[in-house]
Amino acid sequence: DIQMTQSPASLSASLEEIVTITCQASQDIGNWLAWYQQKPGKSPQLLIYGATSLADGVPSRFSGSRSGTQYSLKISRLQVEDIGIYYCQQASSAPYTFGAGTKLELK
Amino acid sequence: EVQLVESGGGLVQPGRSLKLSCAASGFTFSNYYMAWVRQAPKKGLEWVATISTSGSRTYYPDSVKGRFTISRDNAKSSLYLQMNSLKSEDTATYYCARHGEFGAIFDYWGQGVMVTVSS
Repeated sequence: DIQMTQSPASLSASLEEIVTITCQASQDIGNWLAWYQQKPGKSPQLLIYGATSLADGVPSRFSGSRSGTQYSLKISRLQVEDIGIYYCQQASSAPYTFGAGTKLELK
Repeated sequence: EVQLVESGGGLVQPGRSLKLSCAASGFTFSNYYMAWVRQAPKKGLEWVATISTSGSRTYYPDSVKGRFTISRDNAKSSLYLQMNSLKSEDTATYYCARHGEFGAIFDYWGQGVMVTVSS
């Protein structure tokens, strides 16, 4: 199985700050990587697919990048509505595995 | 607007069975692979099952293989998850999810349904 190691586990940041979350895949998954946001008490929502493509309706302050088997999600200017838990997911091969999540809080 | 509405959750004893349903609307159901993803209380996400557009192909992780069965009825735009031999570790919120057009991502999710396995 492909392991997705996500860091940090939690993160406290200020409004307007730049936030970066990373995911390391245990093997090559190409661009088959997605990012999701889960707000408290809600279902996950797709943010990024194909490692770098923004899902419909997602604000442009979110972006994804890739360097080898390391993937990053960047929020350019943190807003209140961005608080929640973020997950990466590899879509390269079954079983489709998720990172453990990053809990993003406001400082 | 894409909508996925799960039902059928509840409290069930270990070793018993339960069947979840998901009613889909707002898109051509028969054109998409569909899936179930679960989340144990205060835990992360775990993919549980995927089914092809026709229902002829199904995929499961080892944790549920042989116990869970995913199925679909395209005429009714409905997805199902039959869960047998339930264990306490199956306690979770179960989400119905649509696979996106770009690989095995999940582009739409239902609101989730809680399954509690306990005596």
